[in-house]
Amino acid sequence: GQNIDQPTEMTATEGAIVQINCTYQTSGFNGLFWYQQHAGEAPTFLSYNVLDGLEEKGRFSSFLSRSKGYSYLLLKELQMKDSASYLCAVPTYNQGGKLIFGQGTELSVKP
Amino acid sequence: ETGVTQSPTHLIKTRGQQVTLRCSSQSGHNTVSWYQQALGQGPQFIFQYYREEENGRGNFPPRFSGLQFPNYSSELNVNALELDDSALYLCASSLRRGGNSPLHFGNGTRLTVT
Repeated sequence: GQNIDQPTEMTATEGAIVQINCTYQTSGFNGLFWYQQHAGEAPTFLSYNVLDGLEEKGRFSSFLSRSKGYSYLLLKELQMKDSASYLCAVPTYNQGGKLIFGQGTELSVKP
Repeated sequence: ETGVTQSPTHLIKTRGQQVTLRCSSQSGHNTVSWYQQALGQGPQFIFQYYREEENGRGNFPPRFSGLQFPNYSSELNVNALELDDSALYLCASSLRRGGNSPLHFGNGTRLTVT
């Protein structure tokens, strides 16, 4: 079957670093996405990993290990505006564009 | 560059009624996907349209149907509404069909069924 697991909630302090983990099980692998969703707003694309390793994009980095079925999103120099839900998602293989999303990790950044 | 727009933003319907939600894709995008998002959950794939044809469908009953028009805008129709259909409905456009092209989401339509 296909499944994604990520923690439901996390809390961190402004200026700190936080790592949000995601484990997945898929039949066939076609990359992994991270999206950010502020309350009441649309999800916005953060990153897409296909190959193993770390990809850095400003304060945000995303890591992938295909052999372990594992990814994480690393947020540095946390700001209050980073308080949001972070969604991990994997495309299914040959299922017409279907993305399977995790339930999202609600990150609260405290002063 | 115009982003993805959805209408209406909010809607209240009664069980058994029918509803049509609309979506304009981002300019240059020929693929539209629809997702249902319950409170506190990740989005669930309903279907994807590419050049006016259904490209793929999730585990939703036939009373969920869609259309894509020549200008790549799209509609989601839901018949015989049930209380469990209350959710945020998200439309997303992308440059390519399939699942490995980043999605650009609209702000969604919040549907409440009473």
